[in-house]
Amino acid sequence: AQTVTQSQPEMSVQEAETVTLSCTYDTSESNYYLFWYKQPPSRQMILVIRQEAYKQQNATENRFSVNFQKAAKSFSLKISDSQLGDTAMYFCAFMKPSSTSGTYKYIFGTGTRLKVLA
Amino acid sequence: EAGVVQSPRYKIIEKKQPVAFWCNPISGHNTLYWYLQNLGQGPELLIRYENEEAVDDSQLPKDRFSAERLKGVDSTLKIQPAELGDSAVYLCASSFAGLGEQFFGPGTRLTVL
Repeated sequence: AQTVTQSQPEMSVQEAETVTLSCTYDTSESNYYLFWYKQPPSRQMILVIRQEAYKQQNATENRFSVNFQKAAKSFSLKISDSQLGDTAMYFCAFMKPSSTSGTYKYIFGTGTRLKVLA
Repeated sequence: EAGVVQSPRYKIIEKKQPVAFWCNPISGHNTLYWYLQNLGQGPELLIRYENEEAVDDSQLPKDRFSAERLKGVDSTLKIQPAELGDSAVYLCASSFAGLGEQFFGPGTRLTVL
């Protein structure tokens, strides 16, 4: 069974600094996708960044980048130049597409609460 | 483009009462998900629809929970009867099959007294 582990329940970072959120996962699959979602307080969840397992290059989206280590099954999120608006819960998610049914399985981690300090 | 719409946003009921949640996904999204999110936890899948077919309902407590997605668009999740432990946020999400990214609604916060 696939599992997703986020070992940091809470983190804080000073505004303008860099922070890294950790995520590890367990799977025997070779073809899958990884995501980081952000859930601000009392607001809906939105996608931050995604990574296809077959791509060796780490994904980047403006101030957000990932360090994808496929062999180690690690998928960390780096936030550069942290802003107050980055304060949120961050969830790591794993998706494995089915080669037969055309559907897929989606599993979320337990989340890391990030607080950006002024 | 309108996002995923959920209603109601908040619901307070007495235990043993029925309750229903409604979700309207993004137009064109054939995959719809219902999740349960407890405070400080990640979403846990209750049921996933591909068009009008429930393709994964293994985590849905079928003795009290039911769901439907008529015509492969809107969906309703029902609990009958509600228990104290059902207090949580119920999230609906949709996606276009093959792209992976899910778009979430604002959720319905259920409080069972």
